[in-house]
Amino acid sequence: EVELVQSGGGLVQPGGSLRLSCAASGFPFSTYWMTWVRQTPEKGLEWVATLNEDGNERHYVGSAKGRFTVSRDNADNSLYLQMNSLRVEDTAVYYCAKHVGAVGATCFDSWGQGSLVTVSS
Amino acid sequence: DIVMTQSPDSLAVSLGERATINCKSSQSVLRRDNKNYLAWYQVKPGQPPKLLIYWASTRHSGVPDRFSGSGSGTYFTLTISSLRVEDAAVYYCQQYNATPFTFGPGTKIDVK
Repeated sequence: EVELVQSGGGLVQPGGSLRLSCAASGFPFSTYWMTWVRQTPEKGLEWVATLNEDGNERHYVGSAKGRFTVSRDNADNSLYLQMNSLRVEDTAVYYCAKHVGAVGATCFDSWGQGSLVTVSS
Repeated sequence: DIVMTQSPDSLAVSLGERATINCKSSQSVLRRDNKNYLAWYQVKPGQPPKLLIYWASTRHSGVPDRFSGSGSGTYFTLTISSLRVEDAAVYYCQQYNATPFTFGPGTKIDVK
């Protein structure tokens, strides 16, 4: 059974940093693209970042470029999102998600439980 | 960027009745492989999103057959054929044809 277990998150001041982790199990992690999506009551779902299976192809939403870094450790079946220079508008529940099929960038069929990130002074 | 729009914003449907949600993309999400890079998700409060439909019309494993997707190019529809209480949720369409992958604003379905 596919399982994505998230850790990290919490309260941080504007300009601060936070690292989210996502531990994967139940599927061959090293062959799947992975993604981070965030959710707010105001904006709904927003795609944040995507990483290919070997970690050398990254894509980011415009507001995250230069501030967020998505990475993975295939030996440890883990996905990460390093968030720097955080802004109030980054406040959201962040989800890691697995792509459908080991065939590149597709949609997302399994999701973590979510991590709340609150950016506030 | 591909902009996704949905209609209506919300709707209330009686138990057992049909619910239809429309989704429009600002650019075609149909590729030369003849696949529409369009998915539908269901989101309930306090829960992660659940994938319902991908490739515009392929039902994800375990999704009841009362959920169906249709459309091609820039116009898509999610239909719930006979609404059940547990279908009350917010539904989002999403294109994965090109980054930034974008979601629609969501459609809230209430069960009357």
